Amino acid sequence: DIQMTQSPSSLSASVGDRVTITCRASQRISTYINWFQQKPGKGPKLLIYAASSLQSGVPSRFSGSGSGTDFTLTISSLQPEDFATYYCQQSYSIPRTFGQGTKVEIK
Amino acid sequence: ELQLVESGGGLVQPGGSLRLSCAASGFSFSTYCMTWVRQAPGKGLEWVANIQQDGSDKYYVDSVKGRFTISRDNAKNSLYLQMNSLRAEDTAVYYCARDGAVRGVMIHYYMDVWGKGTTVTVSS
Repeated sequence: DIQMTQSPSSLSASVGDRVTITCRASQRISTYINWFQQKPGKGPKLLIYAASSLQSGVPSRFSGSGSGTDFTLTISSLQPEDFATYYCQQSYSIPRTFGQGTKVEIK
Repeated sequence: ELQLVESGGGLVQPGGSLRLSCAASGFSFSTYCMTWVRQAPGKGLEWVANIQQDGSDKYYVDSVKGRFTISRDNAKNSLYLQMNSLRAEDTAVYYCARDGAVRGVMIHYYMDVWGKGTTVTVSS
């Protein structure tokens, strides 16, 4: 199975900050990676698919990049509604494994 | 409105069985692959099983192989997860999700519509 390792596991940031979350795959996965946001008590929400494609309706302050084994999710200017947990997921092979999550908290 | 609604969760004893259902509406269910994902209390997301549009191909994470069966009824716009020989470590919120897709060298799959989840608790 492909392991997805996110860093950091948690971070504290202020409204307006630029936030970057990284995800590393245990083998090359081209651009077969998706990013999700999850708020407490809610189901996940797709933000980015195929490494850099913004899902319809998602604000443009979210962006994704990377190819091969190293990927990033960037929030250009953190908003109050962005405090949540973020997960990467590879769609290169079965099982389509997730990273362990990054919790973004208010500083 | 695109919607997925899970049901069937509950409290079950170790070794018991449960059948989860997911009712889809607002899209052409038969044209999408579908997936079950679970989340244990306080833990991250775990991909569990996937089924192709016509139900011909099914895939599972190793920890549920031989115990769980994913199926669908396209006439009823419904997805199912039959869970047998349940263990304490199967305790989780179970989500169903639609697999969107875009073609690359291979097909990029991404879960673009999610339900709110149904809770399964395995305990004596």
